[in-house]
Amino acid sequence: EPEVTQTPSHQVTQMGQEVILRCVPISNHLYFYWYRQILGQKVEFLVSFYNNEISEKSEIFDDQFSVERPDGSNFTLKIRSTKLEDSAMYFCASRDPGVSEQYFGPGTRLTVT
Amino acid sequence: DAKTTQPPSMDCAEGRAANLPCNHSTISGNEYVYWYRQIHSQGPQYIIHGLKNNETNEMASLIITEDRKSSTLILPHATLRDTAVYYCIVSRGSQGNLIFGKGTKLSVKP
Repeated sequence: EPEVTQTPSHQVTQMGQEVILRCVPISNHLYFYWYRQILGQKVEFLVSFYNNEISEKSEIFDDQFSVERPDGSNFTLKIRSTKLEDSAMYFCASRDPGVSEQYFGPGTRLTVT
Repeated sequence: DAKTTQPPSMDCAEGRAANLPCNHSTISGNEYVYWYRQIHSQGPQYIIHGLKNNETNEMASLIITEDRKSSTLILPHATLRDTAVYYCIVSRGSQGNLIFGKGTKLSVKP
């Protein structure tokens, strides 16, 4: 069964450094999403992406965040200058245009020290 | 904020049906009810969704009241592996974005 994959599974970085989280969505999906979950808290929507542009973004997704689909398979989330409060699990999700359910990856645990 | 209300926790005996309720009294006519679950810190897993008719798939059944203000997710024969946090989410479907609440932590006990 096809699945969303994410790399790395765990990323440790120092405050102020840039990080890129990578996702490979399910191959025929055209809608892509990033969510995050701070430890012990709710899953929060960050951004949705379709047709090479951002469809919608939350208040969390400020200027330090960016997303890109650099080729036909990867979907990335870049955090320009990480802060301690960016420490969280980051989940990528994708969706087939013919259905409405989203399929999530296993997540990347980002730890900012 | 999430547009749904769920009990924070529930217990269920292994092999019995787990019935998870959800209130969504402000649901709009074009909004669907989705159920996802999250096992430990894994990515949320899609279970089922519906608009107004009851739905069933290989994982669960979804019962939506006639006025659409509440719904129940039914896991017919719960197993220990069904222990997870279950999220009821109201969304406009094709718009995609999911607003998660705190969900119901279901504990299936032997």
